[in-house]
Parts: sequence; structure tokens; C-alpha cells
Amino acid sequence: DVKVTQSSRYLVKRTGEKVFLECVQDMDHENMFWYRQDPGLGLRLIYFSYDVKMKEKGDIPEGYSVSREKKERFSLILESASTNQTSMYLCASSPWTSGSTDTQYFGPGTRLTVL
Amino acid sequence: GQNIDQPTEMTATEGAIVQINCTYQTSGFNGLFWYQQHAGEAPTFLSYNVLDGLEEKGRFSSFLSRSKGYSYLLLKELQMKDSASYLCAVLDSNYQLIWGAGTKLIIKP
Repeated sequence: DVKVTQSSRYLVKRTGEKVFLECVQDMDHENMFWYRQDPGLGLRLIYFSYDVKMKEKGDIPEGYSVSREKKERFSLILESASTNQTSMYLCASSPWTSGSTDTQYFGPGTRLTVL
Repeated sequence: GQNIDQPTEMTATEGAIVQINCTYQTSGFNGLFWYQQHAGEAPTFLSYNVLDGLEEKGRFSSFLSRSKGYSYLLLKELQMKDSASYLCAVLDSNYQLIWGAGTKLIIKP
């Protein structure tokens, strides 16, 4: 079974703090994704990565950055946390399948509250 | 723009059948996914359709009509554990997943 883990289930930070969210997958997947999920909205893609040291902006990258130094690990960084970044953050991974099923496997999520 | 529409909330009775609809307008189409998400948990994969027609998997079935930009998820013999949100997502021409906001399904005894 694919396992995607995230460093924290719940996190509380203060405005202006630098926040690191870690995600690790154990299935040697090439693709990794960071989403945020807010009530009434669909999953919104922040950043994704197709390979080590490679990153692409998603739909809402502002205020975030990412790092992928190793294939299994994809980190999301909030450079200076703001209250509008309070959200559920979901990490996902998928194999490189040349556009066939591209099923994504999700981690348990991190509920971040910025005070 | 790209758009996925699904009802916000639906209510059904234990043991009954429910159909959750999803309509989409996307730049290209490379398949449609349904995911289930229980409250406070991660989404989990339910089905993938890329050809027109019905795919059956136990109590769950998923239907696709590409010409109509339409899909539905059919849940039979509803159980209380089926109470969850159901997310529709379309893989567009760039192989990016476009997500709907999800349908919250409430099952009543």
C-alpha cells in the first residue's frame, strides 16, 4: 500500500512565523503535490513537482514556496504566515504514468491555524 | 475558464440508492476521478473513467458521458459509513487535476 505521511496533523502558528510542512511518500513516486482545502472550495493546487529539485507553480502559489531535495520528500514553506493561510493542507503523490490513470494518493492532512 | 460543478450537499436514507452528479467544462479531457473523503481525513480514490459508459465496482458505480461533460457516482445499499464528501476531479489536457468543491452526503437511519 502507498503511504503518504505528513509531519503534523495539527499546527498552530503566529502571524509572521516561518512554517515548514513536510510530506514523505514511500512508493518511489515521481510526482508530488501540495493542496489546500477550504470549506466550499475544491482542492486548490499550490505547487507540484515532477522530479527531484524540480517544482512548478499551481493555481495559488503566492505566499508559499517548496523544496524537493529527495525523491520521497516534498516540503511546503510559508515564508511569513498570515491568517488567510489558515487551512487544511494536503500532500499527494502519484507515479509517472505518461498520463494514464494518474491516481493521486493523499496524506492525512495538516490543519494549520495562524493566529 | 475551467469549472467542475457538483451539488453541495445531499441527504439519503440507509439502504437506499443515491446518485451524485458532476458536470465539467475543462480545457481538454484525460479522465474523470471520484474520491471519497470522510470528515477530517484524506481523500481516497474511488473510480476513474476515461471512456463513456458505466463502471461498476461493488456497491459503487461511476458513469461518464464525454459529449455531455457529465458524470455521476451511484451508491447502492447505502450504509452509515458512506456518510462523507465525494469529490469529482477531471484530468485536463495538461494532465492537471481540476477539482470540484465536493458533495457532502448525509445518510440517515
